[in-house]
Amino acid sequence: QVQLQESGPGLVRPSETLSLTCSISGGSINSPYYWSWIRQPPGKALEWIGFIHYTGTTIYSPSLTGRVTMSIDTSTNQISLKLNSVTTADTAVYYCARDPFWSGIHDGFDIWGQGTMVTVSS
Amino acid sequence: DVQMTQFPSTLSASIGDRVTITCRASQGVNNLLAWYQQKPGKAPKLLIHKASILEIGVPSRFSGSGSGTEFTLTISSLQPDDFATYYCQQYDSYGYTFGQGTKLEIK
Repeated sequence: QVQLQESGPGLVRPSETLSLTCSISGGSINSPYYWSWIRQPPGKALEWIGFIHYTGTTIYSPSLTGRVTMSIDTSTNQISLKLNSVTTADTAVYYCARDPFWSGIHDGFDIWGQGTMVTVSS
Repeated sequence: DVQMTQFPSTLSASIGDRVTITCRASQGVNNLLAWYQQKPGKAPKLLIHKASILEIGVPSRFSGSGSGTEFTLTISSLQPDDFATYYCQQYDSYGYTFGQGTKLEIK
């Protein structure tokens, strides 16, 4: 079955760039799926960061636009997240998730990675 | 952004109870509303999509209803495995938004 696995540094210094990768196994990265990044600060609610499609189409959360960049590599079945100028407010568990897109309609996040904790600290 | 207001924030209940969690959107979301269950240290799990469609494999004691701006998640008879935090999420408008969560505790 389809599995997602996030990876990347667990510690990032303030003002630097957070970089994460999500590896997708057991299925296709292509349509009909979008691929989202979602984060959750310790003890807080979930926050959607943005999504990417295999065509390269991206949409980002308005609150993070300008600091976030997503990319996709269909040859390796991986998506990537970069968040620049990080502060302690960016400390969170970061998840990647699959977002099915059937008949022109999104349908919730049906498969999630296990998440990776990223701490922003000097 | 569409604001999602979820209540109660905490709910204490006993095994066998029927419980309801409510989620209110700041504008209509065309029933593009999902419910997730999250246990400590784990990723969220999709329970319901399109407001009322049960995800495959989710027990039938879970149900979703509502339309327009108000939606509910109901658990008909609480089981020990159901004590967790529940989130609603709208996916009608980019950027997607989640509710603040409801923590379901054992009374």
